[in-house]
Amino acid sequence: DAGVTQSPTHLIKTRGQQVTLRCSPKSGHDTVSWYQQALGQGPQFIFQYYEEEERQRGNFPDRFSGHQFPNYSSELNVNALLLGDSALYLCASSLEGGGFSNQPQHFGDGTRLSIL
Amino acid sequence: AQRVTQPEKLLSVFKGAPVELKCNYSYSGSPELFWYVQYSRQRLQLLLRHISRESIKGFTADLNKGETSFHLKKPFAQEEDSAMYYCALSGHSGTYKYIFGTGTRLKVLA
Repeated sequence: DAGVTQSPTHLIKTRGQQVTLRCSPKSGHDTVSWYQQALGQGPQFIFQYYEEEERQRGNFPDRFSGHQFPNYSSELNVNALLLGDSALYLCASSLEGGGFSNQPQHFGDGTRLSIL
Repeated sequence: AQRVTQPEKLLSVFKGAPVELKCNYSYSGSPELFWYVQYSRQRLQLLLRHISRESIKGFTADLNKGETSFHLKKPFAQEEDSAMYYCALSGHSGTYKYIFGTGTRLKVLA
């Protein structure tokens, strides 16, 4: 099992463009979360997808949107890119905890997004 | 406000010395606390969680609700413990958001 896989590894865009990042969860996992990690910072929660719906969102503008497919894979879309969107974008998968507690997150290697 | 604070960006200790990585949190409900670790050229991975109350790689962490802390400890540091450590918080049922601290880089010197 390759675990969580993300693509692409690196991406360079210019301001105003749009980008789509992809994530395949660890085998058996049904929940996907996305994080933004700026240099020298910890991961910041963008949103989480479960059963193909966004079920919780962090403090990110509507320019950040996502999607989860029936096979549990997920996409993160960012519109109208700003210089400040330059960061490492991490995907994490987990198995739904049945509402009792949050299951540990399994992280991918991330996509390094650079905005020029 | 929900927040995780790791006051030290860098902690250097000698091999065999005790280690304590500090984590304080602010949360208005019943928190779940985690420590994640990132070794060089590896992905972020779970080290331990407070509800498991277990020791992983010699590390332990106790949730102190009175001091709102979840410090990570190890009695004798090893060189292979050198890594980036992140403390993270999540809520109980119905809350899925994870909040990470800014991380502490641990360097174990020979």
